[in-house]
Amino acid sequence: NAGVTQTPKFQVLKTGQSMTLQCAQDMNHEYMSWYRQDPGMGLRLIHYSVGAGITDQGEVPNGYNVSRSTTEDFPLRLLSAAPSQTSVYFCASSPPRGQGYTFGSGTRLTVV
Amino acid sequence: AQSVTQPDIHITVSEGASLELRCNYSYGATPYLFWYVQSPGQGLQLLLKYFSGDTLVQGIKGFEAEFKRSQSSFNLRKPSVHWSDAAEYFCAVGSGGYNKLIFGAGTRLAVHP
Repeated sequence: NAGVTQTPKFQVLKTGQSMTLQCAQDMNHEYMSWYRQDPGMGLRLIHYSVGAGITDQGEVPNGYNVSRSTTEDFPLRLLSAAPSQTSVYFCASSPPRGQGYTFGSGTRLTVV
Repeated sequence: AQSVTQPDIHITVSEGASLELRCNYSYGATPYLFWYVQSPGQGLQLLLKYFSGDTLVQGIKGFEAEFKRSQSSFNLRKPSVHWSDAAEYFCAVGSGGYNKLIFGAGTRLAVHP
């Protein structure tokens, strides 16, 4: 049981490049979310999903896209990377009204 | 709008001393409340949660938290801190029927031997 798996762990992008951060969970959780963590700001919600085919925006969605075609996968796409998107990104999953979110180990992204 | 405030950015305690980390929330309905811990370079681990019922909740690693509706608080406590407790601690409130978590800015705990 791997839990929540995020890839890659580290990534450096040039401004304007696009990329996809991968997130997969093997716990059959309905809820999945993407957060970014910046110093002194805690974690801020980017996008979330309450099931396959259902996504919605969080606090800071601009510049990011998501889709949820399967229960297991919830990729986060950066459309045109900007230095302001330098951050640590966390994916998390949870059963509905369940035992709390389980977090992945994060992706550290640097945009130069 | 929902929000979470952790008033203490950094706290330093001596090993063996007691610990209390403060958390205040703003939420219109009965909140779902959580405490998470993050060790350096790691993801977040759930310490404990409050959904309803007994306002004193027990978690892992000897932590507990008390929900006080009148004070809009959910403070985390531990009677005796170990050096391995040094980490960053985040309080969060579940919003929108629990499917979204709103986090505080975190409290970084240092433990002196």
